[in-house]
Amino acid sequence: RKEVEQDPGPFNVPEGATVAFNCTYSNSASQSFFWYRQDCRKEPKLLMSVYSSGNEDGRFTAQLNRASQYISLLIRDSKLSDSATYLCVVKWAGNNRKLIWGLGTSLAVNP
Amino acid sequence: NAGVTQTPKFRILKIGQSMTLQCAQDMNHNYMYWYRQDPGMGLKLIYYSVGAGITDKGEVPNGYNVSRSTTEDFPLRLELAAPSQTSVYFCASSSREANYGYTFGSGTRLTVV
Repeated sequence: RKEVEQDPGPFNVPEGATVAFNCTYSNSASQSFFWYRQDCRKEPKLLMSVYSSGNEDGRFTAQLNRASQYISLLIRDSKLSDSATYLCVVKWAGNNRKLIWGLGTSLAVNP
Repeated sequence: NAGVTQTPKFRILKIGQSMTLQCAQDMNHNYMYWYRQDPGMGLKLIYYSVGAGITDKGEVPNGYNVSRSTTEDFPLRLELAAPSQTSVYFCASSSREANYGYTFGSGTRLTVV
């Protein structure tokens, strides 16, 4: 089983749609969780951290399910500018250097 | 608000040549990292540093070297470039205060021919 696993997609959705991505992780000792966004040929950028209680930032909602070892990202009212690859990232407890990166889920929002 | 600055943005090397990829950050972050990203692949950690004078190997260190003489700078050295080192290289930094979320540079696209 991969350490961090994501559906590569692509997800093709119309503008205004709601879309959700899941990411599963294998290490139950994982401590911190993040979603990054990467545009084509650009660097990854931190979208949001994922907290145990779940968190929301505008149209984006992230949730963590420790029992089932997955995190999710929900995007509401999709915009064309949301088209990108979304990377799931997990940090193992006690090791600041060990970020495990998923391969990403590709999203294309269509007019 | 420079963040993480990488130079050069593009480079073509011939097999066997050497070069240094520069990375500088102005956020006083202790932790710095070098990654490579091949097409359709995830980020692979090459080297990292937890502070000035301290470096350690990541997943794919062969063919590379680093140094960290200051908090700000973390250059990556390629010795005897090989076609397998054709990739996009990203430098990143992080801190405890940022909950270890990374700030990336804009990348260096390297082609070895």
